[in-house]
Amino acid sequence: EIVMTQSPATLSVSPGESATLSCRASESVSNKLAWYQQKPGQAPRLLIYGASTRATGIPARFSGSGSGTEFTLTISSLQSEDFAVYYCQQYNHWPPRTFGQGTKVDIK
Amino acid sequence: QVQLQESGPGLVKPSETLSLTCTVSGGSMSEYYWSWLRQPPGKGLEWLGYIYYTGSTNYNPSLKRRVTISVDTSKNQFSLKVNSVTAADTAVYYCARWAPPLDYWGRGALVTVSS
Repeated sequence: EIVMTQSPATLSVSPGESATLSCRASESVSNKLAWYQQKPGQAPRLLIYGASTRATGIPARFSGSGSGTEFTLTISSLQSEDFAVYYCQQYNHWPPRTFGQGTKVDIK
Repeated sequence: QVQLQESGPGLVKPSETLSLTCTVSGGSMSEYYWSWLRQPPGKGLEWLGYIYYTGSTNYNPSLKRRVTISVDTSKNQFSLKVNSVTAADTAVYYCARWAPPLDYWGRGALVTVSS
């Protein structure tokens, strides 16, 4: 099973600043990497797929990069609605399509 | 706009079977995979398995023997059964469309296992 490790567990950021979230795979997942945002009491929402392609309707301040085993989600100029938990997920290997444990972005 | 909605009992007794249905609206089930995931309170996401619209399935090996996913395209629905449940199966259960990736999600259904 591919293990996805996200860091940091919590990231405290002031509104307007940028945030950089990391995701590492235990072996290569090529570019088959997605990022999801989850707010309390809500289902996850797809942000990025294919490591760097924004999903429909996702603002340009969200960007993804990386391939192989190292991936990054960058949120530039954080807005109040961006404070949430972010999960990465690999979909290169089955079973199963594993998720990272999440990074919580909270207000500094 | 594709929408998914989970339905089913919110309380299940230990050793019994958890059953949930996901109704898909706003689009066809054809050419996609349909997934079930869960999230225990305060924890991360776990993929339970998925089904292609033709009926072929793939399950997470950690739960394989207890999980069954089925589809009824005539009703635009797919279903989840988890048998022999314990308190560890208490979670919010989500259905989602696997494009890939998981691009449309239901709101989630909290299922509590308790006597």
